[in-house]
Amino acid sequence: ETGVTQTPRHLVMGMTNKKSLKCEQHLGHNAMYWYKQSAKKPLELMFVYSLEERVENNSVPSRFSPECPNSSHLFLHLHTLQPEDSALYLCASSQTSGRTDTQYFGPGTRLTVL
Amino acid sequence: QKEVEQNSGPLSVPEGAIASLNCTYSDRGSQSFFWYRQYSGKSPELIMSIYSNGDKEDGRFTAQLNKASQYVSLLIRDSQPSDSATYLCAATSYNQGGKLIFGQGTELSVKP
Repeated sequence: ETGVTQTPRHLVMGMTNKKSLKCEQHLGHNAMYWYKQSAKKPLELMFVYSLEERVENNSVPSRFSPECPNSSHLFLHLHTLQPEDSALYLCASSQTSGRTDTQYFGPGTRLTVL
Repeated sequence: QKEVEQNSGPLSVPEGAIASLNCTYSDRGSQSFFWYRQYSGKSPELIMSIYSNGDKEDGRFTAQLNKASQYVSLLIRDSQPSDSATYLCAATSYNQGGKLIFGQGTELSVKP
């Protein structure tokens, strides 16, 4: 399998549930990202991992917890979410080497919080 | 002020026409610019990247960059109904650690 994959593609959860989103990149990149996309709003950067270290946390509530065990895998652990957290969650990866930092996106996880 | 700004549209053009999508950015330190296409319910797909002033052509797509005016555009020639999507402009700035800043996107509708 090539590119960036995400599972699950769709997730419905209650506010008291705990779930995790998974992202895997097969591009040999050294940086991975989580974005949130809500309707009619720009993509919001949530977390950045570079060389498996978190280099950015964009004031994201603690109910979102990222994990990057290696350069190919990225998780987003979810707990006690709110209905306003319903959105498309996108994972991306890039090779951060000077100018060539083009980001490639996975298919996304459509999350609905009831 | 939004860091990357686009008209949300929708922009409607007839099939075969040229679609012109515009984007402005506020950070003069921005050095890399990208256009992504996003179909409804799908993830963004990279169409073009541009780094230097001037035009860059790839098939029916032409990206134009003017750093003095802080302006980047995407022209789509011979527009097809399959080009109907939301087009996202994005810019990176080394002043911000290379973070990619997205505009809100312009919805393009190509009518047969």
